[in-house]
Amino acid sequence: DQQVKQNSPSLSVQEGRISILNCDYTNSMFDYFLWYKKYPAEGPTFLISISSIKDKNEDGRFTVFLNKSAKHLSLHIVPSQPGDSAVYFCAARARTDSWGKLQFGAGTQVVVTP
Amino acid sequence: SAVISQKPSRDICQRGTSLTIQCQVDSQVTMMFWYRQQPGQSLTLIATANQGSEATYESGFVIDKFPISRPNLTFSTLTVSNMSPEDSSIYLCSVVGLVTSGGADTQYFGPGTRLTVL
Repeated sequence: DQQVKQNSPSLSVQEGRISILNCDYTNSMFDYFLWYKKYPAEGPTFLISISSIKDKNEDGRFTVFLNKSAKHLSLHIVPSQPGDSAVYFCAARARTDSWGKLQFGAGTQVVVTP
Repeated sequence: SAVISQKPSRDICQRGTSLTIQCQVDSQVTMMFWYRQQPGQSLTLIATANQGSEATYESGFVIDKFPISRPNLTFSTLTVSNMSPEDSSIYLCSVVGLVTSGGADTQYFGPGTRLTVL
């Protein structure tokens, strides 16, 4: 049973525009959410995280929004750059689980075009 | 942040053989984990590598198939035993909690080991 869902397998965006990646979850025990970026032949690289006590976290070009009532979070990348082309994973941790036990979405392939 | 290296980076193995994957971290970390990413799927936690004691396995994973060692705070190994083509995956080491930062921290991943079983 997939508890973290990324329903868009791919996203194409023009350089300089905003990329919006979406993630939905079903487990109400999730209290910490992370976004990772993954290039081919590399491991996932941490981008940004958000605790369930917040609804927004910003770090440079990356902003994550959390809507707990809708069990939905999104990652905004502004402006998008060619180097942002990668697979983005949404991950979540339940408050009842230990650090390290993350549930991952299937990933969204982002392609930033010139 | 932690720098994680894995050996080998990739391997092609025959059915029925075993492969041991090494994970080395440049800093002492509180917790180490092993994940698997099967082709076209998301990452799945295999087990938590516990220093000085048996690993804690997630549902669907057993010690006989995936023995794990963690002799200290910077090193762990995962063995994939009696391999079959279904074991073809990327295996990733992950760490949390840099000792120098005082505990729970962002979770980092190694570059992964791409395993193909023929």
